[in-house]
Amino acid sequence: GENVEQHPSTLSVQEGDSAVIKCTYSDSASNYFPWYKQELGKRPQLIIDIRSNVGEKKDQRIAVTLNKTAKHFSLHITETQPEDSAVYFCAASETSYDKVIFGPGTSLSVIP
Amino acid sequence: ETGVTQTPRHLVMGMTNKKSLKCEQHLGHNAMYWYKQSAKKPLELMFVYSLEERVENNSVPSRFSPECPNSSHLFLHLHTLQPEDSALYLCASSQEDSDGFTEKLFFGSGTQLSVL
Repeated sequence: GENVEQHPSTLSVQEGDSAVIKCTYSDSASNYFPWYKQELGKRPQLIIDIRSNVGEKKDQRIAVTLNKTAKHFSLHITETQPEDSAVYFCAASETSYDKVIFGPGTSLSVIP
Repeated sequence: ETGVTQTPRHLVMGMTNKKSLKCEQHLGHNAMYWYKQSAKKPLELMFVYSLEERVENNSVPSRFSPECPNSSHLFLHLHTLQPEDSALYLCASSQEDSDGFTEKLFFGSGTQLSVL
């Protein structure tokens, strides 16, 4: 079955710097890759996603890149702000959420 | 707040107790999910109900029993739990298209369960 690895497990950056979180997956059939953000004590929320027919997607300060050949995808946050501090989860899915596998998460701390 | 509400927010139970977790979604979605969140496995899918039919997850112990009486309500019945079952239990909902594809999960706030 699918296995999703995520690195680093913890990440600290200065406010204004960029943050990069990397994920790898094992099932070449996976074609949908969402990212969820979970602030302390709150529920996970989708922040961006990408399908396998594109290599990059951007939404303001957040971007995701996908390399299907290497089976890895990354989340890029530019001009980080303290409110970006949270746990970020990547995931991979073939078609739907009954098959989605989440990565172990990355705890991001943005230092003012 | 977000359309998916869970009760109770906190639950402490003994290993011999029987309790139920409740989830209700007000988004008109056709799929609902139970996830377990713990330090060991941050987001672990337990059960999926798609169009009110259950998709089995064979790795979930039988002491967890889901129930989906309609597309808006989901329950997780608990009995004879173990201390290692202590975790945050998250409910989520989504809208599946005709191909069974769903893009976005909407999570509830979760029930923090402690088994003594």
